Amino acid sequence: GDSVTQMEGPVTLSEEAFLTINCTYTATGYPSLFWYVQYPGEGLQLLLKATKADDKGSNKGFEATYRKETTSFHLEKGSVQVSDSAVYFCALRRENNDMRFGAGTRLTVKP
Amino acid sequence: GAGVSQTPSNKVTEKGKYVELRCDPISGHTALYWYRQSLGQGPEFLIYFQGTGAADDSGLPNDRFFAVRPEGSVSTLKIQRTERGDSAVYLCASSSSGTSPGETQYFGPGTRLLVL
Repeated sequence: GDSVTQMEGPVTLSEEAFLTINCTYTATGYPSLFWYVQYPGEGLQLLLKATKADDKGSNKGFEATYRKETTSFHLEKGSVQVSDSAVYFCALRRENNDMRFGAGTRLTVKP
Repeated sequence: GAGVSQTPSNKVTEKGKYVELRCDPISGHTALYWYRQSLGQGPEFLIYFQGTGAADDSGLPNDRFFAVRPEGSVSTLKIQRTERGDSAVYLCASSSSGTSPGETQYFGPGTRLLVL
């Protein structure tokens, strides 16, 4: 069945470091892909999304490109900040609206 | 405007008891979703409503779990004969129409259920 596999954490970086969190998926058809973020003590928030191949989603300095050939949607940011410390979830949605999430990657950014 | 709200924020119950968890979606959103998130895991789909009807309940783990949305807005997730394994954070989300795969789902803060 459809599934999402994302890079295991936790990930610890220094401020201003480059971030990559890998995400690959298995799905039939052409799902939409999402990154959600959960800040400490808060609910899940959409970070960015892409709905078709080669689309790039971007928000708050984060980017991810929908790569159909490698079935990937890796999250990147050029310079992380302490405020980016959170848990990041990759997800896909199939046409029947059933959203599948990865296990989450905890990011800690140290000053 | 107001986001998705869930009550209670925390619920502690004893094994075998019945619990109800409530979700208030964003006003006007047709689609409503329930998920369950265990510690260290991503959310796991339970059920999806389109209006008043359950369009997909394939994620409900067994017949102890049931959800309703009688007027197409507020939804209640009901768990009978709770078990310790039901302990998790139950998340509710809503989206405007539910008809587009790229549509954003907006999540509530969750209800943390602990079954002793």
